[in-house]
Amino acid sequence: DAGITQSPRHKVTETGTPVTLRCHQTENHRYMYWYRQDPGHGLRLIHYSYGVKDTDKGEVSDGYSVSRSKTEDFLLTLESATSSQTSVYFCAIRAGVENTIYFGEGSWLTVV
Amino acid sequence: AQRVTQPEKLLSVFKGAPVELKCNYSYSGSPELFWYVQYSRQRLQLLLRHISRESIKGFTADLNKGETSFHLKKPFAQEEDSAMYYCALSDHSGSARQLTFGSGTQLTVLP
Repeated sequence: DAGITQSPRHKVTETGTPVTLRCHQTENHRYMYWYRQDPGHGLRLIHYSYGVKDTDKGEVSDGYSVSRSKTEDFLLTLESATSSQTSVYFCAIRAGVENTIYFGEGSWLTVV
Repeated sequence: AQRVTQPEKLLSVFKGAPVELKCNYSYSGSPELFWYVQYSRQRLQLLLRHISRESIKGFTADLNKGETSFHLKKPFAQEEDSAMYYCALSDHSGSARQLTFGSGTQLTVLP
Protein backbone atom coordinates (compact mmCIF):
# COMPACT_ATOMS: atom_id res chain seq x y z
CA ASP A 1 0.00 0.00 0.00
CA ALA A 2 3.11 2.26 -0.17
CA GLY A 3 2.32 3.58 3.31
CA ILE A 4 -0.58 5.83 2.25
CA THR A 5 -3.54 6.50 4.49
CA GLN A 6 -6.46 8.78 3.74
CA SER A 7 -8.86 10.35 6.21
CA PRO A 8 -11.73 10.53 6.55
CA ARG A 9 -12.66 7.50 4.50
CA HIS A 10 -16.32 8.51 4.32
CA LYS A 11 -17.94 11.88 4.85
CA VAL A 12 -21.32 13.44 4.27
CA THR A 13 -21.41 17.21 4.36
CA GLU A 14 -23.79 20.01 3.48
CA THR A 15 -23.49 22.36 0.54
CA GLY A 16 -21.46 25.43 1.39
CA THR A 17 -19.44 23.90 4.21
CA PRO A 18 -15.65 23.57 4.10
CA VAL A 19 -14.17 20.09 3.92
CA THR A 20 -10.58 18.94 4.29
CA LEU A 21 -9.30 15.54 3.25
CA ARG A 22 -5.97 14.35 4.50
CA CYS A 23 -3.42 12.14 2.82
CA HIS A 24 -0.64 10.82 5.01
CA GLN A 25 2.42 8.89 3.87
CA THR A 26 5.13 7.33 5.95
CA GLU A 27 7.91 6.80 3.43
CA ASN A 28 9.13 10.31 2.66
CA HIS A 29 7.99 10.39 -0.97
CA ARG A 30 8.44 13.68 -2.72
CA TYR A 31 5.52 13.57 -5.17
CA MET A 32 1.92 13.38 -3.99
CA TYR A 33 -1.29 13.70 -5.98
CA TRP A 34 -5.02 14.15 -5.48
CA TYR A 35 -7.40 12.62 -8.01
CA ARG A 36 -11.17 12.42 -8.13
CA GLN A 37 -12.98 9.43 -9.58
CA ASP A 38 -16.32 9.82 -11.30
CA PRO A 39 -18.31 7.43 -13.50
CA GLY A 40 -17.62 8.04 -17.16
CA HIS A 41 -14.59 10.18 -16.41
CA GLY A 42 -12.13 7.78 -14.87
CA LEU A 43 -9.69 9.54 -12.59
CA ARG A 44 -8.86 13.20 -13.05
CA LEU A 45 -6.00 15.05 -11.43
CA ILE A 46 -6.99 17.86 -9.05
CA HIS A 47 -3.65 19.04 -7.66
CA TYR A 48 -0.24 17.62 -7.06
CA SER A 49 2.79 18.42 -4.94
CA TYR A 50 6.48 18.01 -5.65
CA GLY A 51 7.74 18.98 -2.23
CA VAL A 52 6.96 20.88 0.95
CA LYS A 53 5.07 24.04 0.02
CA ASP A 54 5.42 23.17 -3.69
CA THR A 55 2.10 22.46 -5.37
CA ASP A 56 0.53 22.87 -8.78
CA LYS A 57 -2.86 22.58 -10.41
CA GLY A 58 -4.19 19.62 -12.29
CA GLU A 59 -6.98 19.21 -14.79
CA VAL A 60 -9.92 19.90 -12.43
CA SER A 61 -8.57 22.24 -9.77
CA ASP A 62 -11.43 24.77 -9.63
CA GLY A 63 -13.06 24.78 -6.21
CA TYR A 64 -10.15 22.99 -4.55
CA SER A 65 -7.03 24.09 -2.72
CA VAL A 66 -4.16 22.08 -1.31
CA SER A 67 -1.42 22.48 1.21
CA ARG A 68 1.71 20.61 2.07
CA SER A 69 3.45 21.94 5.14
CA LYS A 70 5.14 18.63 5.92
CA THR A 71 6.50 15.93 3.63
CA GLU A 72 4.15 13.34 5.03
CA ASP A 73 0.85 15.23 4.73
CA PHE A 74 -0.97 16.52 1.66
CA LEU A 75 -4.28 18.19 2.42
CA LEU A 76 -7.11 18.78 -0.03
CA THR A 77 -9.63 21.46 0.92
CA LEU A 78 -13.01 22.22 -0.55
CA GLU A 79 -13.56 25.78 0.63
CA SER A 80 -17.31 25.67 0.04
CA ALA A 81 -18.52 22.24 -0.97
CA THR A 82 -20.96 21.85 -3.85
CA SER A 83 -22.98 18.85 -4.98
CA SER A 84 -20.75 18.53 -8.06
CA GLN A 85 -17.90 17.70 -5.71
CA THR A 86 -19.60 14.53 -4.58
CA SER A 87 -17.01 11.99 -5.63
CA VAL A 88 -14.42 9.50 -4.54
CA TYR A 89 -11.09 11.15 -3.86
CA PHE A 90 -7.84 9.25 -4.21
CA CYS A 91 -4.47 10.31 -2.96
CA ALA A 92 -1.42 8.92 -4.71
CA ILE A 93 2.34 8.98 -4.33
CA ARG A 94 5.18 8.34 -6.73
CA ALA A 95 7.65 5.77 -5.53
CA GLY A 96 10.24 3.24 -6.46
CA VAL A 97 13.01 3.04 -8.97
CA GLU A 98 10.49 3.05 -11.80
CA ASN A 99 8.55 6.03 -10.40
CA THR A 100 5.36 4.05 -10.14
CA ILE A 101 2.26 5.84 -8.90
CA TYR A 102 0.53 4.11 -5.98
CA PHE A 103 -2.91 4.98 -4.69
CA GLY A 104 -4.52 5.27 -1.31
CA GLU A 105 -7.80 3.58 -0.43
CA GLY A 106 -9.99 6.52 -1.32
CA SER A 107 -12.26 8.95 0.50
CA TRP A 108 -15.96 8.86 -0.30
CA LEU A 109 -17.42 12.37 -0.08
CA THR A 110 -21.11 13.14 -0.42
CA VAL A 111 -22.27 16.75 -0.54
CA VAL A 112 -25.99 17.12 0.15
CA ALA B 1 -2.51 17.35 -24.90
CA GLN B 2 -2.55 13.66 -24.14
CA ARG B 3 -5.73 11.65 -24.19
CA VAL B 4 -6.63 8.06 -23.34
CA THR B 5 -9.71 6.40 -24.76
CA GLN B 6 -11.33 3.21 -23.53
CA PRO B 7 -14.24 2.67 -25.89
CA GLU B 8 -16.03 -0.01 -23.86
CA LYS B 9 -17.67 1.02 -20.59
CA LEU B 10 -18.88 -2.51 -19.91
CA LEU B 11 -17.55 -5.85 -21.07
CA SER B 12 -18.88 -9.28 -20.19
CA VAL B 13 -17.25 -12.57 -21.03
CA PHE B 14 -17.71 -16.13 -19.86
CA LYS B 15 -15.20 -17.86 -17.65
CA GLY B 16 -12.48 -19.46 -19.73
CA ALA B 17 -13.06 -17.20 -22.73
CA PRO B 18 -10.42 -14.81 -24.02
CA VAL B 19 -10.78 -11.18 -23.06
CA GLU B 20 -9.43 -8.00 -24.63
CA LEU B 21 -9.89 -4.55 -23.12
CA LYS B 22 -9.18 -1.81 -25.61
CA CYS B 23 -7.12 1.30 -24.99
CA ASN B 24 -6.12 3.96 -27.50
CA TYR B 25 -4.07 7.02 -26.76
CA SER B 26 -2.93 10.28 -28.27
CA TYR B 27 0.36 11.77 -27.18
CA SER B 28 2.90 13.86 -28.97
CA GLY B 29 5.98 12.28 -27.43
CA SER B 30 7.09 8.80 -26.45
CA PRO B 31 4.38 7.46 -24.14
CA GLU B 32 4.64 5.43 -21.00
CA LEU B 33 1.48 3.37 -20.59
CA PHE B 34 -0.04 1.48 -17.71
CA TRP B 35 -3.01 -0.65 -16.82
CA TYR B 36 -4.51 -0.28 -13.35
CA VAL B 37 -7.18 -2.53 -11.85
CA GLN B 38 -9.72 -1.64 -9.18
CA TYR B 39 -11.66 -4.35 -7.41
CA SER B 40 -14.96 -3.37 -5.87
CA ARG B 41 -14.54 -0.23 -3.73
CA GLN B 42 -10.81 -0.79 -3.28
CA ARG B 43 -7.73 1.20 -4.21
CA LEU B 44 -6.37 1.18 -7.73
CA GLN B 45 -3.56 -1.31 -8.16
CA LEU B 46 -0.95 -1.29 -10.86
CA LEU B 47 -1.52 -4.30 -13.11
CA LEU B 48 1.25 -3.75 -15.62
CA ARG B 49 3.31 -1.17 -17.44
CA HIS B 50 4.49 -1.43 -21.00
CA ILE B 51 8.14 -0.82 -20.18
CA SER B 52 8.50 -3.88 -17.97
CA ARG B 53 6.60 -6.16 -20.39
CA GLU B 54 5.66 -8.41 -17.48
CA SER B 55 2.65 -10.69 -17.40
CA ILE B 56 0.62 -10.14 -14.25
CA LYS B 57 -2.24 -12.49 -13.33
CA GLY B 58 -2.06 -13.81 -16.88
CA PHE B 59 -2.67 -10.38 -18.45
CA THR B 60 -0.45 -8.94 -21.15
CA ALA B 61 -0.47 -5.72 -23.10
CA ASP B 62 1.59 -4.69 -26.09
CA LEU B 63 2.24 -1.12 -27.06
CA ASN B 64 1.44 -0.58 -30.74
CA LYS B 65 2.77 2.83 -31.66
CA GLY B 66 1.46 2.60 -35.23
CA GLU B 67 -2.11 2.13 -34.04
CA THR B 68 -1.52 4.13 -30.82
CA SER B 69 -3.02 1.30 -28.83
CA PHE B 70 -2.24 -0.58 -25.63
CA HIS B 71 -4.88 -3.28 -25.42
CA LEU B 72 -5.03 -5.57 -22.40
CA LYS B 73 -5.45 -9.27 -23.10
CA LYS B 74 -5.92 -12.49 -21.23
CA PRO B 75 -6.39 -15.84 -22.95
CA PHE B 76 -8.65 -17.43 -20.33
CA ALA B 77 -10.73 -15.13 -18.12
CA GLN B 78 -11.44 -16.07 -14.51
CA GLU B 79 -14.30 -14.91 -12.30
CA GLU B 80 -11.84 -13.15 -10.00
CA ASP B 81 -10.83 -10.93 -12.93
CA SER B 82 -14.14 -9.09 -12.61
CA ALA B 83 -13.15 -5.51 -11.83
CA MET B 84 -12.79 -2.02 -13.26
CA TYR B 85 -9.78 -1.61 -15.51
CA TYR B 86 -8.16 1.71 -16.29
CA CYS B 87 -5.63 2.46 -18.97
CA ALA B 88 -3.32 5.37 -18.13
CA LEU B 89 -0.62 7.39 -19.82
CA SER B 90 2.27 9.10 -18.07
CA ASP B 91 3.10 12.66 -18.99
CA HIS B 92 6.82 13.20 -19.18
CA SER B 93 6.62 16.97 -19.52
CA GLY B 94 8.26 18.72 -16.60
CA SER B 95 8.81 16.48 -13.64
CA ALA B 96 5.27 15.83 -12.44
CA ARG B 97 4.81 12.60 -14.38
CA GLN B 98 1.08 12.90 -13.98
CA LEU B 99 -1.13 10.07 -15.07
CA THR B 100 -3.93 10.68 -17.55
CA PHE B 101 -6.62 8.02 -17.25
CA GLY B 102 -9.15 6.60 -19.61
CA SER B 103 -12.75 6.40 -18.42
CA GLY B 104 -12.42 2.76 -17.50
CA THR B 105 -13.93 -0.57 -18.55
CA GLN B 106 -15.97 -2.63 -16.12
CA LEU B 107 -15.19 -6.28 -16.81
CA THR B 108 -17.60 -8.94 -15.66
CA VAL B 109 -16.61 -12.58 -15.99
CA LEU B 110 -19.67 -14.80 -15.97
CA PRO B 111 -19.60 -18.34 -14.57
